[in-house]
Amino acid sequence: QQQVKQSPQSLIVQKGGISIINCAYENTAFDYFPWYQQFPGKGPALLIAIRPDVSEKKEGRFTISFNKSAKQFSLHIMDSQPGDSATYFCAAPPRGTNAGKSTFGDGTTLTVKP
Amino acid sequence: GAVVSQHPSRVICKSGTSVKIECRSLDFQATTMFWYRQFPKKSLMLMATSNEGSKATYEQGVEKDKFLINHASLTLSTLTVTSAHPEDSSFYICSASRPGGNEKLFFGSGTQLSVL
Repeated sequence: QQQVKQSPQSLIVQKGGISIINCAYENTAFDYFPWYQQFPGKGPALLIAIRPDVSEKKEGRFTISFNKSAKQFSLHIMDSQPGDSATYFCAAPPRGTNAGKSTFGDGTTLTVKP
Repeated sequence: GAVVSQHPSRVICKSGTSVKIECRSLDFQATTMFWYRQFPKKSLMLMATSNEGSKATYEQGVEKDKFLINHASLTLSTLTVTSAHPEDSSFYICSASRPGGNEKLFFGSGTQLSVL
């Protein structure tokens, strides 16, 4: 089974700091790498995504860095805020399939302290 | 606003009863929807792919007779947990993507099922 390994499992960051969450995949048959944000008791929501033809994508305070050779992609949250406290999942849908069939990482619980 | 609506958000039922969860795409037609199960502090586990007008495709290990999926219209998929038992207690989530936009996934708000 295709694997997506996410780390760390949990992360505590001070307000204003940088949160970094990493994801590694084991199969090259992926061409879309999304990150999802999930608040307690809610469904996930797409946060930001990247394709392997670029090494970085930035949307506001959120940046994805992609390292194709290392098969890794990471989420960076700049100027972290308490409202960013949530669980973050990386995912990778098999090429040519609907993202609904993604393999999801195990999740990272981010706590941003005021 | 939400583009995928899921109801109910929370349900408590007695063991042996059946529970139906609805997932609606609000402003687009979804020929395919997905159902997941999520345990506390765990990842999403794909249970099945709901196909409009045809049988659902279940993932390995998911009991199709326990988790009945019906996708009778282009905007509605339902998941019925039949003869629920305490071990079925979990957070159930649906998702869908717009036609032609297979990559951008919209999730429902989830349903917390508690079986007593």
